[in-house]
Amino acid sequence: DSGVTQTPKHLITATGQRVTLRCSPRSGDLSVYWYQQSLDQGLQFLIQYYNGEERAKGNILERFSAQQFPDLHSELNLSSLELGDSALYFCASSATIHTGELFFGEGSRLTVL
Amino acid sequence: GDSVTQMEGPVTLSEEAFLTINCTYTATGYPSLFWYVQYPGEGLQLLLKATKADDKGSNKGFEATYRKETTSFHLEKGSVQVSDSAVYFCALSDQAGGYNKLIFGAGTRLAVHP
Repeated sequence: DSGVTQTPKHLITATGQRVTLRCSPRSGDLSVYWYQQSLDQGLQFLIQYYNGEERAKGNILERFSAQQFPDLHSELNLSSLELGDSALYFCASSATIHTGELFFGEGSRLTVL
Repeated sequence: GDSVTQMEGPVTLSEEAFLTINCTYTATGYPSLFWYVQYPGEGLQLLLKATKADDKGSNKGFEATYRKETTSFHLEKGSVQVSDSAVYFCALSDQAGGYNKLIFGAGTRLAVHP
């Protein structure tokens, strides 16, 4: 158990819909990362937050947004969903921003029909 | 930009065989290098790391040495077990802008048979 909690574990929705994925980092970790894992693209970095502020952005689509709240949990919002958004979305956390030692949750599997 | 290239899988081995999974990287500067492992149905876990050239990371019988001259970080294990069956990801830390984010390779699936 990594200590990172993600909900929901599975989500099935239709094209055009909007979903929210939630992540609670390990106790004490200030940095949260979101990654997308798909068969054709592999593991892609989406966005990073540190103590409530956005710190780094990767290949995140404009239809996607995220935020980190004062209690340090984070949400990833995916809107106007397309079939190609079907993937496993991982949240990871770390104690600081200066480390590559990340602790990953078990992921949220999104299926868009 | 920075990138990581791993050997394609799947790699299929018999129990107690020797394992090598190749990983090479392209980076500006001097990144830290990592191997993460993903067991079926789980998230990624850090397996080992190396932070500078010639460092050797090791854990659970796995080893990898940071080779700056060949820009490589190959993963090895002398005798694999069925329980090692998983997907292995090589990664480097991109420290652009002072903030770390990991860049992962495509992953290599390992299947170990009794």
